Amino acid sequence: AQTVTQSQPEMSVQEAETVTLSCTYDTSESDYYLFWYKQPPSRQMILVIRQEAYKQQNATENRFSVNFQKAAKSFSLKISDSQLGDAAMYFCAYNAGNMLTFGGGTRLMVKP
Amino acid sequence: GAGVSQTPSNKVTEKGKYVELRCDPISGHTALYWYRQSLGQGPEFLIYFQGTGAADDSGLPNDRFFAVRPEGSVSTLKIQRTERGDSAVYLCASSLMGGRDTQYFGPGTRLTVL
Repeated sequence: AQTVTQSQPEMSVQEAETVTLSCTYDTSESDYYLFWYKQPPSRQMILVIRQEAYKQQNATENRFSVNFQKAAKSFSLKISDSQLGDAAMYFCAYNAGNMLTFGGGTRLMVKP
Repeated sequence: GAGVSQTPSNKVTEKGKYVELRCDPISGHTALYWYRQSLGQGPEFLIYFQGTGAADDSGLPNDRFFAVRPEGSVSTLKIQRTERGDSAVYLCASSLMGGRDTQYFGPGTRLTVL
């Protein structure tokens, strides 16, 4: 069974600074997708970024980028120029078939 | 276009009662998913529909849980004889074709069983 682990229950960053959230996963599959979702207090899961495992190039979306290390089964999220609106729960997720398998989440706090 | 919508936003019920939670996916999305998120945890998969049929219901915890999607659009998650342990946020998501397509989530229904 696939598992996703987020080892940082909470992280804190100063506004305008950079923060990296960690995620590792365990799988025997070679073809899969990885995702980072943001969940603010409103509860709605919002897609932040997506990475296809067959692509060597790391995905980037504006201030958000990933460091995908396939051999190490690591998928970290870097948030640059952090903003107050980035404060939320962040979930790493894996999909090799149909269902998403989520990690336990990291709560990100942004200090003004 | 409109996103995934879920009703009700919050539901409070008493132990032993029956509840129905509704999900309206993004128009044109063939795949629909239900997840359950307990407090302080990540969502856990319950069931996946491709069209009208349940393609994977391996995440349903027991036979008190059932879901339907009769016309391939709106889905209803039904919970019989609710227990306090069923209290959680129930999230619905849809994707265009299923598989590894990006899943778009609704705002969830918070179920509280007293």
